[in-house]
Amino acid sequence: DGGITQSPKYLFRKEGQNVTLSCEQNLNHDAMYWYRQDPGQGLRLIYYSQIVNDFQKGDIAEGYSVSREKKESFPLTVTSAQKNPTAFYLCASSISGDQETQYFGPGTRLLVL
Amino acid sequence: GENVEQHPSTLSVQEGDSAVIKCTYSDSASNYFPWYKQELGKGPQLIIDIRSNVGEKKDQRIAVTLNKTAKHFSLHITETQPEDSAVYFCAASTSYGKLTFGQGTILTVHP
Repeated sequence: DGGITQSPKYLFRKEGQNVTLSCEQNLNHDAMYWYRQDPGQGLRLIYYSQIVNDFQKGDIAEGYSVSREKKESFPLTVTSAQKNPTAFYLCASSISGDQETQYFGPGTRLLVL
Repeated sequence: GENVEQHPSTLSVQEGDSAVIKCTYSDSASNYFPWYKQELGKGPQLIIDIRSNVGEKKDQRIAVTLNKTAKHFSLHITETQPEDSAVYFCAASTSYGKLTFGQGTILTVHP
């Protein structure tokens, strides 16, 4: 997991509630990413950020929002508009965005009550 | 967009045997191909990667081959051990940060 922390490990969401997943890295990486993993499937890109105060939508951004106010932090909010939020959420970072190795955090499992 | 197909979905081998996992990609512009190993409940860990200017890369018991013409790349694990049991993912990237992942292969190594 090397320098990337995600919290909490498990998160429970009630109907209509927004929840925020934390991702912090101390690797001095410029780029950060959020992926969603569903059981038995590969990872799908939600949002990514190349630099502070800038981010782009990935393939499945609907129902999610992010911010990048600090280089080391890239929180993900799962909004009430995301109708099927139950999944394993993975944060990653890389030195820069251009073909650099992405290193993953330990993940947060989000469950709906 | 890019599409990555990974086969097989499950692979069972005896300890000491070799294991091969294959991926195909659709976008000929893809030029970076990492392989990740994921253990249950944990984040993926990079095990090896290859760029399009190289045909093969080895790291001890692990090797990756790339055929750009056929648009496929493969992971080879020799002398498998029980601790190699995990889910393995291939991925391909054409542009900034946009890794497209395969569906994963569950590798089981029997002692």
